[in-house]
Amino acid sequence: EVHLVESGGGLVQPGRSLRLSCAASGFTFEDYAMHWVRQAPGKGLEWVSSISWNSVSIAYADSVKGRFTISRDNAKNSLYLQMNSLRAEDTALYYCAKSSGYWYLDLWGRGTLVTVSS
Amino acid sequence: DIQMTQSPSSLSASVGDRVTITCRASQGIRNYLVWYQQKPGKVPKLLIYAASTLQSGVPSRFSGSGSGTDFTLTISSLQPEDVATYYCQNYNSAPLTFGQGTKVDIK
Repeated sequence: EVHLVESGGGLVQPGRSLRLSCAASGFTFEDYAMHWVRQAPGKGLEWVSSISWNSVSIAYADSVKGRFTISRDNAKNSLYLQMNSLRAEDTALYYCAKSSGYWYLDLWGRGTLVTVSS
Repeated sequence: DIQMTQSPSSLSASVGDRVTITCRASQGIRNYLVWYQQKPGKVPKLLIYAASTLQSGVPSRFSGSGSGTDFTLTISSLQPEDVATYYCQNYNSAPLTFGQGTKVDIK
């Protein structure tokens, strides 16, 4: 069965850093682009970042560009999001998601909650 | 950047009603449009990709149409289990913007 399991969320002070991880199983991880999407409490979905299967193509939302870094380790079937200079407005449930052959999201994890507060 | 605008932001309809949600892109995205369903407290689920192709396992009462800038999600006969927020998303190019969502509930 295919699974995505996020981890690494928690409570962090503004200006600090956090690294999210996503463990993939049940599919050939190295074949697919992967994504991070977030959802602030009571709000809609916001695309954060995407990375191609070979890490050559990477994209970020303007709201996180220069602060967040997406990466992957195909040998470990894992996706990462390094989040620096965190702000209160980064508070959200962060989902890891898998692409189909195109860049839409056909599998989502359950999310990991990031709370930025002093 | 491409902006995605959904309407309405919410609607209330009776069981068995036909429900239509629209999504407009600020520039043409061919048919690179998907619809997701997010039930309360749950993870988003892919309903339709390529504007009109039903994802495997999705009930046939859901359908999608459109190309270019204007797209539609239709539920032909609303069921209680369809209570959810529905999002469109552009995947023509980054940023992969979502619409703001349409909340559907039962009257």
